[in-house]
Amino acid sequence: GQQVMQIPQYQHVQEGEDFTTYCNSSTTLSNIQWYKQRPGGHPVFLIQLVKSGEVKKQKRLTFQFGEAKKNSSLHITATQTTDVGTYFCAGPTGTASKLTFGTGTRLQVTL
Amino acid sequence: DAGITQSPRHKVTETGTPVTLRCHQTENHRYMYWYRQDPGHGLRLIHYSYGVKDTDKGEVSDGYSVSRSKTEDFLLTLESATSSQTSVYFCAISFTGTSGLLGQFFGPGTRLTVL
Repeated sequence: GQQVMQIPQYQHVQEGEDFTTYCNSSTTLSNIQWYKQRPGGHPVFLIQLVKSGEVKKQKRLTFQFGEAKKNSSLHITATQTTDVGTYFCAGPTGTASKLTFGTGTRLQVTL
Repeated sequence: DAGITQSPRHKVTETGTPVTLRCHQTENHRYMYWYRQDPGHGLRLIHYSYGVKDTDKGEVSDGYSVSRSKTEDFLLTLESATSSQTSVYFCAISFTGTSGLLGQFFGPGTRLTVL
């Protein structure tokens, strides 16, 4: 079945440093979604990318969908302590709007 | 958060006992999902529903059953809980926004411990 992998699994940065997480799917995706989960919280939808090569920005966050629609990345510029959490990518699978979630990247930011 | 609530929020139970978790939504969404989240495994789909009385299995459905008798309620039952079912359980709904945007909203989660 479809597999979605993310790297790295964990990253620790100093506040102000940049951060990037990469998402790779075993199959071509019609769209890719990104979620953020704060420690002790629930996943929260961030964004959806649909087009090949699409780039979207949300303040310090930049999301990119690969040309082949099998990979994606999330880049955070100048991290802040509020960026702490686990970031998941997810791609549609099968029917009924189901998603396969990536394994997640946990980001720790220290002062 | 799309009016999604889960109950209970925390539960401790013993091996072999039945457990039912409830997910309630107030916005008439058609699709509902149950996930479990464990360290190192991310979010894994247990069961999902695509309408009242319409449910199907996800990737980790063994030991779980679901029911949806009303649009707003999606119940997850562990018929005989085992320690391997200790986990955090999330309910989610699928939404379609403007311009065809798709995504899922999650409930706050239920932390289940099976002793």
